[in-house]
Amino acid sequence: DGGITQSPKYLFRKEGQNVTLSCEQNLNHDAMYWYRQDPGQGLRLIYYSQIVNDFQKGDIAEGYSVSREKKESFPLTVTSAQKNPTAFYLCASSHQNSPLHFGNGTRLTVT
Amino acid sequence: AQSVTQLGSHVSVSEGALVLLRCNYSSSVPPYLFWYVQYPNQGLQLLLKYTSAATLVKGINGFEAEFKKSETSFHLTKPSAHMSDAAEYFCAVSSLAQGGSEKLVFGKGTKLTVNP
Repeated sequence: DGGITQSPKYLFRKEGQNVTLSCEQNLNHDAMYWYRQDPGQGLRLIYYSQIVNDFQKGDIAEGYSVSREKKESFPLTVTSAQKNPTAFYLCASSHQNSPLHFGNGTRLTVT
Repeated sequence: AQSVTQLGSHVSVSEGALVLLRCNYSSSVPPYLFWYVQYPNQGLQLLLKYTSAATLVKGINGFEAEFKKSETSFHLTKPSAHMSDAAEYFCAVSSLAQGGSEKLVFGKGTKLTVNP
C-alpha cells in the first residue's frame, strides 16, 4: 500500500539540540513538502522540493534545514536556531500538481 | 496573492443535524479549492476539490461543497452529521496557473464537534 511514513510519531528534545524528522514516501511522487502546524494557525510551509537534489524555502524556513538526496526521502532538521520548535510537523507529497498527500505527522516537544 | 478565511474556529452540531463549514477565498486568478479533514494526531486527508469543472463538488463521507464565484465562497456541507465527522476541517486555495502545490494556502481550520 502506497503512502508517506513519518517517524517517530512523538519526539522529545532538550533545548539547544538539533533534531531530524524522517519522511519517506513510496508513491513515486516528485514533489515533497514540510509543513508546521500550531493550534489555531493552520498549516505553514517550511520547505519544499520538486526534484532530487533541489529544494526551496517556504514561508517559515528560518531555523530549519532539509535535504533531498533520494526521491523517496525528505528529512527535516530542526536546528537550535529555531526559536519555537515545539509543534506538529507534517510531511506531504504530490505528483504533477495533484492534491497533496499527507503523512501522519511528528509531534515535537522541546523543553 | 491568495488567501482563505474560515469563519468560525469551532462549530458544534447535534448528531443528524446539517453541517455547514464556511470558507471564503481571495484570488486574483481562477482558483483551485480544496477541503481537507484532520482527525486528532493524524495528517490531513483530502475530502474534495474544485478545479473549474462542476461548481457543486461531491466528496467522501457524504460531504459536498459549492463554488460560488460571486460570493467568493466554497462552503462545505453535509446533510446529516455523524459522530465520526468530529474532526478539524481545513479549506485551501491554489492556482495551477501560479505553479504547483507550494502555492497552496490553508485556512486556519474549523474544529467540528458532534453532540449525541
